[in-house]
Amino acid sequence: AQTVTQSQPEMSVQEAETVTLSCTYDTSENNYYLFWYKQPPSRQMILVIRQEAYKQQNATENRFSVNFQKAAKSFSLKISDSQLGDTAMYFCAFMKGSGGSNYKLTFGKGTLLTVNP
Amino acid sequence: NAGVTQTPKFQVLKTGQSMTLQCAQDMNHNSMYWYRQDPGMGLRLIYYSASEGTTDKGEVPNGYNVSRLNKREFSLRLESAAPSQTSVYFCASSEGGHNTGELFFGEGSRLTVL
Repeated sequence: AQTVTQSQPEMSVQEAETVTLSCTYDTSENNYYLFWYKQPPSRQMILVIRQEAYKQQNATENRFSVNFQKAAKSFSLKISDSQLGDTAMYFCAFMKGSGGSNYKLTFGKGTLLTVNP
Repeated sequence: NAGVTQTPKFQVLKTGQSMTLQCAQDMNHNSMYWYRQDPGMGLRLIYYSASEGTTDKGEVPNGYNVSRLNKREFSLRLESAAPSQTSVYFCASSEGGHNTGELFFGEGSRLTVL
C-alpha cells in the first residue's frame, strides 16, 4: 500500500515571501502521479499542481512549483511571492498510474499554511 | 457551473439513526468517490465508483454503503450512525478512463453524531 507523509502540520510565511511544503511517499510502483491539492477555509478542495513520475522536469503552475526527487521519494511544493489567498490546508496526494481502475488517490494528512500580512 | 453538489451541508444525528448523503455531478465524469476528513487524518477514501454500475471499498468502508444511482449520482448511506462517524464528508468526481488524477470536489457535508 502507498503512504504519503507530510511532516509539517502547520507553517506560516510572510506575504510576498517564498515557502516550501514537504511531502514524502512510499511506493513500489514505477508509474504514478503526484499532486498537491489546496483546501481554502471555504473548504472546497482544488488541484494546485500535478507531476507525472515518468517526467524528469518539475511541474510549474505560475507561482507554484514542485521539487520532485523520484529516488528519494520526495515531492515538495514551493510557493513563490506568497499571497493572503494562499492561506489554506495543502494536501499531497499519490495515485498509481497503472491500467485498470486504479483511480484512487491517497492523501497525506495535510499542512496548514498561513500567510501573514 | 454547479460541478459537484452535495446535500445536506450540515446534519446532526443521534446514535443509531440512519441517513443518506447525496452527491451529483454535472461534468459527465465516469468516476466518483466518497472521502471523509478528520482532524489530523487527512482525507480517507470510504468508497468509490470507477464507472457507472461498479462500486468498490476504499480505506475505511465499515459502517457505510453506497449506491451509484446513475452516471451523475453517487450516494453514501449510514445505516446506524455512530459517534465515530462524526466527520466532514466530501464527494468527488473524475473523468476516469485515461484519468490524470484531477478530482473535482464538492463543498463537503458536516455530520455530527451524538
